[in-house]
Amino acid sequence: NAGVTQTPKFQVLKTGQSMTLQCAQDMNHEYMSWYRQDPGMGLRLIHYSVGAGITDQGEVPNGYNVSRSTTEDFPLRLLSAAPSQTSVYFCASKDRVYTDTQYFGPGTRLTVL
Amino acid sequence: GESVGLHLPTLSVQEGDNSIINCAYSNSASDYFIWYKQESGKGPQFIIDIRSNMDKRQGQRVTVLLNKTVKHLSLQIAATQPGDSAVYFCAETITGGGNKLTFGTGTQLKVEL
Repeated sequence: NAGVTQTPKFQVLKTGQSMTLQCAQDMNHEYMSWYRQDPGMGLRLIHYSVGAGITDQGEVPNGYNVSRSTTEDFPLRLLSAAPSQTSVYFCASKDRVYTDTQYFGPGTRLTVL
Repeated sequence: GESVGLHLPTLSVQEGDNSIINCAYSNSASDYFIWYKQESGKGPQFIIDIRSNMDKRQGQRVTVLLNKTVKHLSLQIAATQPGDSAVYFCAETITGGGNKLTFGTGTQLKVEL
């Protein structure tokens, strides 16, 4: 198993550009989520999904969209990037909705100029 | 382990000594707690967890203590090794009700040879 994979590892955007951060897991996990990590802070939940076709907002959802068309993939979209979205983004998954141990991907470092 | 501004609290220990990393959690309703280790450039990695019906749990070289009265967690690492150098986060959640992990701000552990 590759576990949780994320692409790209690094990305630089200009303000107003759009892009999609990719996340995939090959463990058949029901639950997937996106976090952002800023310097000196813990991870904050952006969006999560409890299964294909179902998504919900986390703590800091503004400026981000998600979809979950398959169990394996959970892309995060930035429609109009802003400098405040400069951060490291982590995707995570867990086996079932009501088990709590999440497994994290390696992260995407995004810089918005 | 609360941080101020952009600086993580840092714990420096000598190789072979025991390390104790502390965390204050915020929600008295939280009943499941997890410690994660994050090495530079990587995603958080699960270390150990504990449920609120326990006050101590041991793993391989690690022990987590939970004090619900003062909402405090600690992670003890025995015989600290250079490979233990990382940022350590505690996370809290409510089992079954919330799919949201709330992370602490992290503590940087530095192991000196």
